[in-house]
Amino acid sequence: SAVISQKPSRDICQRGTSLTIQCQVDSQVTMMFWYRQQPGQSLTLIATANQGSEATYESGFVIDKFPISRPNLTFSTLTVSNMSPEDSSIYLCSVRDRGSYNEQFFGPGTRLTVL
Amino acid sequence: ILNVEQSPQSLHVQEGDSTNFTCSFPSSNFYALHWYRWETAKSPEALFVMTLNGDEKKKGRISATLNTKEGYSYLYIKGSQPEDSATYLCAFITGLRVKLVFGAGTILRVKS
Repeated sequence: SAVISQKPSRDICQRGTSLTIQCQVDSQVTMMFWYRQQPGQSLTLIATANQGSEATYESGFVIDKFPISRPNLTFSTLTVSNMSPEDSSIYLCSVRDRGSYNEQFFGPGTRLTVL
Repeated sequence: ILNVEQSPQSLHVQEGDSTNFTCSFPSSNFYALHWYRWETAKSPEALFVMTLNGDEKKKGRISATLNTKEGYSYLYIKGSQPEDSATYLCAFITGLRVKLVFGAGTILRVKS
């Protein structure tokens, strides 16, 4: 298993600003994942972050809106840029256990409210 | 487009009640089905990873079954306790892709 921490745990932001969310894992992992859960919706994959290469974004998500950094094998950041109220969500990072049918370990999430 | 449906959306039960939720998923190209429990302000925690048709798994008072031919999984909680209050998520993976596709979850509230 992996222990994952995220900062901040929650934030309230103004429209048009940006927020960077940090994710730290207690072990080295190749792939890290960023998810979003909007109110009443499913947990949705935003992008997969690989160390040393560009993140791979899912349909409907773009790098300009959600830039991701992956400077080493234990850390990643997700920035939510030029925020609007529609970006109010819980953002989670996760890593995958390759040995167990892709079971994922999640951070505690960042609860973002955009006014 | 893969679609995973969970029902009910929310459930309020009394302590001691038994309850169950449903997860429906595409029946083709099945690889695995995950159940997670997500308590407020905590990390989602894996409950079960189910891979074979007819699988039944149990952890304490919680159990799950899997029917890959018809595309559904049931999660059962026997004798619900207030600490069972959480959102229960299921996630589906096909043999074609690595990505997990999540349902919207079932919110369980257990009153003491």
